[in-house]
Order: sequence, then structure tokens, then C-alpha cells
Amino acid sequence: DVKVTQSSRYLVKRTGEKVFLECVQDMDHENMFWYRQDPGLGLRLIYFSYDVKMKEKGDIPEGYSVSREKKERFSLILESASTNQTSMYLCASNPGAEDTQYFGPGTRLTVL
Amino acid sequence: GENVEQHPSTLSVQEGDSAVIKCTYSDSASNYFPWYKQELGKGPQLIIDIRSNVGEKKDQRIAVTLNKTAKHFSLHITETQPEDSAVYFCAASKRGGFKTIFGAGTRLFVKA
Repeated sequence: DVKVTQSSRYLVKRTGEKVFLECVQDMDHENMFWYRQDPGLGLRLIYFSYDVKMKEKGDIPEGYSVSREKKERFSLILESASTNQTSMYLCASNPGAEDTQYFGPGTRLTVL
Repeated sequence: GENVEQHPSTLSVQEGDSAVIKCTYSDSASNYFPWYKQELGKGPQLIIDIRSNVGEKKDQRIAVTLNKTAKHFSLHITETQPEDSAVYFCAASKRGGFKTIFGAGTRLFVKA
């Protein structure tokens, strides 16, 4: 069974703090993704990575950065958290471009 | 840009009735169409998918149809049960592309 885990289920941070969200997958998948989920807007892609140390911007990369030093781990970084980054963050992975994505349980981030 | 429109945003049915969710995609090169179910507090999980060389696919109470000419695809759930209550997302992706485009989601309520 594919497993994608995220470091926290709930996180509360203050405006201006640096925030790290970590994601680990155990199926040796090439691709990893970070999405943001907001009501009525579906899943919006922030960044994705198709290989170690490789990253590509998604649709809403502003205010975020990512790191992929190892194949199984993909981190999302909020350099200076703002209240409009309060959201549900979902990590996903898949073995190839046309394959099913496997999602983690999500991290609900609140920025005060 | 690439877009997937999903309707309705909310759907309420009586237990035992059928539910239909419809999606339209904009990129004619799309060739993979997964459907995800997201239960409360969990990440989305694949429930069924279809590729562009197939017009229909069925798995027990769930079926998906694809009309490539009209760029429409639909999810059909028959004999709905309370445990079918969740948010459903349609999505589209294409060969050679890493990105999956998601619809905005449909919240399905099945009343017992």
C-alpha cells in the first residue's frame, strides 16, 4: 500500500514566522506535489518535483518555496507566513506523469 | 489556460438514489481522467479513472463515462449509501505533462 505522510495534521503559526511542511512517501515515486485546498477552489498546485533537487512552479507559487534533497521527501516552506496562507495543504506523489496521485492526509495551517 | 469545470458544487440525494457529477475539460490533449473521493479529515483517494481510448468504465456501483468530442466526463454512483457522502473531485492530465488539473469539487450528501 502506498503511503504518503505529512509531518503535522494541524499547525498554528504567527504572521511572519517561517513554516516548514514535510511530506514523505514510501513507494519510490518520481513525482511529488504540493497543493493548497480552499473551499470552492478545488486543489491548486503550488509546486511539484519530478526528481531529486528538481522543482517546478505550479499555479500559485508566490510566497512558497520547496526542497527535495531526497527522493522520498518533499518540503514546502513558507518563508514569512501571512494570514492569506491559512489553508489546507496536501502533499501527493505518483510514479509517472499520467498516473494516479496518492495523497497524504493534509495539514491544516492557521496563520494568526 | 487549462481548466476543468465541475457541476454541481453540492448534491443531495436520498439513500438508494443515483448521483451524477459532470465535468468539462478545456485541453483537447488530455487523456487521463481520474475521480477522487475525499472523506472528512482525509486526503483525496482515487475511486475510478478512465483513459481517452475508452468511453465507459464501471466498478460495482460506480461508473465513469467520457465523451471526447464534447470534452465531457461524468461520474455515476448508483444505489447510493450514507458512506458515499464525501467531496468528489474530477481531474484531467495528459501525456508528457506532470500537472493534473482538478475540478472545484462536489460535496455529496446521501440522506438515510
